[in-house]
Amino acid sequence: DTEVTQTPKHLVMGMTNKKSLKCEQHMGHRAMYWYKQKAKKPPELMFVYSYEKLSINESVPSRFSPECPNSSLLNLHLHALQPEDSALYLCASSQSGQGQETQYFGPGTRLLVL
Amino acid sequence: KQEVTQIPAALSVPEGENLVLNCSFTDSAIYNLQWFRQDPGKGLTSLLLIQSSQREQTSGRLNASLDKSSGRSTLYIAASQPGDSATYLCAVYYGGSQGNLIFGKGTKLSVKP
Repeated sequence: DTEVTQTPKHLVMGMTNKKSLKCEQHMGHRAMYWYKQKAKKPPELMFVYSYEKLSINESVPSRFSPECPNSSLLNLHLHALQPEDSALYLCASSQSGQGQETQYFGPGTRLLVL
Repeated sequence: KQEVTQIPAALSVPEGENLVLNCSFTDSAIYNLQWFRQDPGKGLTSLLLIQSSQREQTSGRLNASLDKSSGRSTLYIAASQPGDSATYLCAVYYGGSQGNLIFGKGTKLSVKP
């Protein structure tokens, strides 16, 4: 199984809503990542978890809150988002997070903030 | 500043043609370089990963080369098919921050039947 799954596929939310994005992998990988991709732009790294410990990208606003309940699951909690946060949110995983290894990406969640 | 550039931004070719996509990076001290494919509105699929000590990697009709000293990589696609139509992204890892891949903006490939 080389699949990374993400739910939901699409999400529409208002600026006052609280929602969560979910990501799951069963490849035994110990590193998981959140990326944000705006239209016609490359993905930008948001967060990395390695062995359930967080590495934070300092440019990510606090309205995005990651959570790694266990080595197979990764959540991204969203609160008080802005319309400019509308994007495709991609989850990825790799064996150990050393950076020298292939990252496997999920299909993404397309988020629209109204 | 470490930057990754992909040229051309878009490419349209007839089916069956061999083609080359280009990727250049400003800092040659890379650990590895990875080529991805992205279909519209979808996630990324890893195609090939080249470590800094390697010169090329092959998978089926795909061949990726790496020239660290000149800061260049190419992705060669042989006998292109309409199913190859997608955006191809090049990403470089320099070490340090975990998993901090630096992506190019991609080349959008269209293969016409």
